[in-house]
Amino acid sequence: AQTVTQSQPEMSVQEAETVTLSCTYDTSESDYYLFWYKQPPSRQMILVIRQEAYKQQNATENRFSVNFQKAAKSFSLKISDSQLGDAAMYFCAYRSASKLIFGTGTRLQVFP
Amino acid sequence: GAGVSQSPSNKVTEKGKDVELRCDPISGHTALYWYRQSLGQGLEFLIYFQGNSAPDKSGLPSDRFSAERTGGSVSTLTIQRTQQEDSAVYLCASSYTRLASYEQYFGPGTRLTVT
Repeated sequence: AQTVTQSQPEMSVQEAETVTLSCTYDTSESDYYLFWYKQPPSRQMILVIRQEAYKQQNATENRFSVNFQKAAKSFSLKISDSQLGDAAMYFCAYRSASKLIFGTGTRLQVFP
Repeated sequence: GAGVSQSPSNKVTEKGKDVELRCDPISGHTALYWYRQSLGQGLEFLIYFQGNSAPDKSGLPSDRFSAERTGGSVSTLTIQRTQQEDSAVYLCASSYTRLASYEQYFGPGTRLTVT
C-alpha cells in the first residue's frame, strides 16, 4: 500500500524569505502523480502544484516549486518570497489511480 | 463556473442519531469522492463514484457509513448511529474523470460534531 509521510508538523518563515516543506512517500508503482495542497482556515483544499512521476523536470508555479527525487521517493515544496497569505496547512498527496493518499500535513506560519 | 458545494457547513448531532451530508459536484464531472479529515490528521479516503460503475467503498470505516449518488450528480453520505469518533470534517471532491491526470476539486467540507 502507498503511504505519504510529512515529518514536519509545523514550520515558520519570515515574510519574503524561502521555506521548504518535506514529503516522502512509499510505492511500488512507476506511474503516479504527486500533489501539494494548501488548506487555509476556510477548509477549502486548494491545489498548489503537481508533478507527474514520468517527468524528470521539477514542476514550478510562480513562487512555488518542487524538488522531486524519484529514486529517493522524496517530494519537497519550496515557497519563495513567502507572503502572509501563504500561512495555511500544506498537505502532500499521492495518486496513481482514483483516490488521493494524503500526508498528515505541515502547518506553515508566516511572520511579518 | 460554480465549484463543489457541500451542505450543511456545520452539523452538531447527538450520539446515536443518523446524519446525512450532501455534496453537489461541478457540473459535468463524472467522478466524485468523499474524504474524512479528523482533528490534526490528513485526509482519509472514504468512497468514490465514477459514472454508472459500482462505487469503490474500500475506505468506509464501518457499515454505519454509506453513500449514494443519484443521477450521476448529487451525492449523500449517511452515517447511522453516530459515535463521538465520527466527529470530523467531511470533504467532497469531484473531477472530470477518475484518471489521475485530472485534478480533484474540493468543496468547503461539512464539520460534523457528535456530542
